[in-house]
Amino acid sequence: EAAVTQSPRNKVTVTGGNVTLSCRQTNSHNYMYWYRQDTGHGLRLIHYSYGAGNLQIGDVPDGYKATRTTQEDFFLLLELASPSQTSLYFCASSDGTANTEVFFGKGTRLTVV
Amino acid sequence: AQKVTQTQTSISVVEKTTVTMDCVYETRDSSYFLFWYKQTASGEIVFLIRQDSYKKENATVGHYSLNFQKPKSSIGLIITATQIEDSAVYFCAMREGDSNYQLIWGSGTKLIIKP
Repeated sequence: EAAVTQSPRNKVTVTGGNVTLSCRQTNSHNYMYWYRQDTGHGLRLIHYSYGAGNLQIGDVPDGYKATRTTQEDFFLLLELASPSQTSLYFCASSDGTANTEVFFGKGTRLTVV
Repeated sequence: AQKVTQTQTSISVVEKTTVTMDCVYETRDSSYFLFWYKQTASGEIVFLIRQDSYKKENATVGHYSLNFQKPKSSIGLIITATQIEDSAVYFCAMREGDSNYQLIWGSGTKLIIKP
């Protein structure tokens, strides 16, 4: 079964702090995504990638960097965390075809105090 | 512009009844795919069912089915014989045929199943 694993599951950091969220998928999928979920906004795409070394900008990229080191691993970096980045973050993967579903990790709850 | 709208913020029904959740979409593409996902209380998001725009038959998976009304750009999710564990937030999403990365998401409908 398709698997997407996120770590950590919960994280608290201070304003201005440095945070890295990790994601690994064992689906052999080309596409990986980072979303944030906030009440009233649903799921919003931050960054995505279609392969190792590739990075594409999503709809809400400001304040975030991402890096895809291998086909399996996708990282989201917050270099100067702000309280507005307090959110629930999801990593997901897909094979990139239009008619197939996206598989989600269990989410990382990030709190910036 | 692409858009997915779920106008029902919350729905409450009694267990074992049938519920329908609404979703309307906007697209200029002739080929597109419509998805429904479920987010459980633990936060996990799982795929439920898909409708391909070129198919006239409504998709069905287990006790989930879709009411696809293409002229109205509408894709309703129907859950029959609801169970307590169906309580969750349900998201509608769309991907256009030439867009191999981006799902356009609705804002979700919270479903509460009462005993």
